[in-house]
Amino acid sequence: AQSVAQPEDQVNVAEGNPLTVKCTYSVSGNPYLFWYVQYPNRGLQFLLKYITGDNLVKGSYGFEAEFNKSQTSFHLKKPSALVSDSALYFCAVRDRDTGFQKLVFGTGTRLLVSP
Amino acid sequence: NAGVTQTPKFRVLKTGQSMTLLCAQDMNHEYMYWYRQDPGMGLRLIHYSVGEGTTAKGEVPDGYNVSRLKKQNFLLGLESAAPSQTSVYFCASSYSKVGPYEQYFGPGTRLTVT
Repeated sequence: AQSVAQPEDQVNVAEGNPLTVKCTYSVSGNPYLFWYVQYPNRGLQFLLKYITGDNLVKGSYGFEAEFNKSQTSFHLKKPSALVSDSALYFCAVRDRDTGFQKLVFGTGTRLLVSP
Repeated sequence: NAGVTQTPKFRVLKTGQSMTLLCAQDMNHEYMYWYRQDPGMGLRLIHYSVGEGTTAKGEVPDGYNVSRLKKQNFLLGLESAAPSQTSVYFCASSYSKVGPYEQYFGPGTRLTVT
């Protein structure tokens, strides 16, 4: 069975500082991994995805994520946080080796960037 | 492109009432999904569709029905609403059900059942 863990309910960071939002996953095969962002009263927006190859994935709005197979992690990062980055972030995983599997989401991490 | 749209945006129902949520997408996607979002639980898949005229159960299908009569539309019905169905409902679509294709989400419908 697939699962995703986002161990932090909330991450607080000052504007201009680097940010990391953590995600670990579990699949029986190899994963497709995704990050989505949700702003208040909005739907989820796709940020980036890991398919294969380079472990560092670059996405929208200056975000990037690092895939680490040995640690089964896919942490979201940004070198310099903006107040406008404050939102709810979801990590999601799908097993790419076993046909159709639903996209499994983590419980979300709220990012709060202070001025 | 409007992407994925949902109607209505908000709704309040009394226990036992019925309603239908409408999802429409203009990206010619084959696959469509209905999720519910509850605090601390992430998104949970209710039903999904792999093409016009086909639907399948997801993780939490009880109390809901769906229909996909047209490729661009995916309807979610509640026949007899219960307070446990108070949630935010999101529709999504994707090019394919397999592979690295991301899902595109609508803005959500906030449903309260009293």
